Amino acid sequence: QLQLQEPGPGLVKPSETLSLTCTVSGDAISTSGYYWGWIRQPPGKAPEWIGSIYHSGSTYYNPSLKSRVTISIDTSKSQFSLKLSSVTAADTAVYYCPRLLATKRAFDHWGRGTLVTVSS
Amino acid sequence: DIQMTQSPSTLSASVGDRVTITCRASQSISTSLAWFQQKPGKAPNLLIYKASSLESGVPSRFSGSGSGTEFTLTISSLQPDDFATYYCQQYNSYSGTFGQGTTVEVK
Repeated sequence: QLQLQEPGPGLVKPSETLSLTCTVSGDAISTSGYYWGWIRQPPGKAPEWIGSIYHSGSTYYNPSLKSRVTISIDTSKSQFSLKLSSVTAADTAVYYCPRLLATKRAFDHWGRGTLVTVSS
Repeated sequence: DIQMTQSPSTLSASVGDRVTITCRASQSISTSLAWFQQKPGKAPNLLIYKASSLESGVPSRFSGSGSGTEFTLTISSLQPDDFATYYCQQYNSYSGTFGQGTTVEVK
């Protein structure tokens, strides 16, 4: 069964770079039609799509975050990663790493999420 | 950017009620629309994809309809486990946007 795990740093200081890695198990990260995404949810607010990546390395970013976001993939380790630079308190959120199935055009499997707090 | 607008933001209902939530897209997204249920402290759970397809394992009391810019999620007979927050999300042209959510609460 597909599992996604995204352990996080918990606390990041303002102006620093938030880094998260999601490990995929139970299915092959390079399967055709699987996209991998990052979604965040500030406390009490709706989820926000950050971006997605395909095993080929093709990336797709939310225009409002694009200047600060880098998503990468390491198929040999079955991992994909998020880097968000110049963080502020507004980046405090639970960060999730779900799979998007192209045939469904929907995120159908999600990790448990990790709370990242931006504070000095 | 495509904006998604959900209504209502809060809905008070009783067990057994028929519940309908609406989601509108700022431009046509064909049927690239999903519905999620979320409970406190949990990740969103996919209910409906491609506007009207029921995700495996989801009870048949959930249904979705619509295309273009207008979509609805219907719960035919609300059950105690259905009190939660529901989100629509469009995924079109490799970009995704969520609605602001609808909380279904006990009347």
